[in-house]
Amino acid sequence: NAGVTQTPKFQVLKTGQSMTLQCAQDMNHEYMSWYRQDPGMGLRLIHYSVGAGITDQGEVPNGYNVSRSTTEDFPLRLLSAAPSQTSVYFCASSPNPQVIEAFFGQGTRLTVV
Amino acid sequence: DAKTTQPPSMDCAEGRAANLPCNHSTISGNEYVYWYRQIHSQGPQYIIHGLKNNETNEMASLIITEDRKSSTLILPHATLRDTAVYYCIVRLLPGNTGKLIFGQGTTLQVKP
Repeated sequence: NAGVTQTPKFQVLKTGQSMTLQCAQDMNHEYMSWYRQDPGMGLRLIHYSVGAGITDQGEVPNGYNVSRSTTEDFPLRLLSAAPSQTSVYFCASSPNPQVIEAFFGQGTRLTVV
Repeated sequence: DAKTTQPPSMDCAEGRAANLPCNHSTISGNEYVYWYRQIHSQGPQYIIHGLKNNETNEMASLIITEDRKSSTLILPHATLRDTAVYYCIVRLLPGNTGKLIFGQGTTLQVKP
């Protein structure tokens, strides 16, 4: 059972480039979310989804897009990367929107130069 | 969701109990207290949650004061592998959108 899988683990982008951070879970969880973590700070919620076809914004959604076409996948898109988006990104899933216990991936470390 | 206040850092000797406090003086009656931890560079890990009563599982115990304005996470026999950042989160359950709001947390250093 793989749990929550994030790819890639590391990525370097040039300013203005676009890319997609992948997140997949094999636990049939309805709820998925994306967080970013900057040095010395806690995690901040970017976007979340309570089920396939449903997404909503979190605390810091600007510069990011998401979609949820299947239960398993919840990709995060950076349309035009900026140095301010240099961060570690975590994807999480939970069986339901109540999120009693969220399962986190191992993170994607993104650097925008 | 209610705001939480935690000390930025704590030390604990290996084998001793680690007691991590959290203040949530603005908590409302239907908000739960959650604890997560993040071991260096890894994704956060759920530890425990509770509403009013004290809770215990295989990882830790959660003690919530009678007025629910504060709580303490107890790791009964801390090991070096418990060195991590511990986050106290207060949120509604059930019925909300499932958002977890992480604060700064407490960095626990377990020393030999």
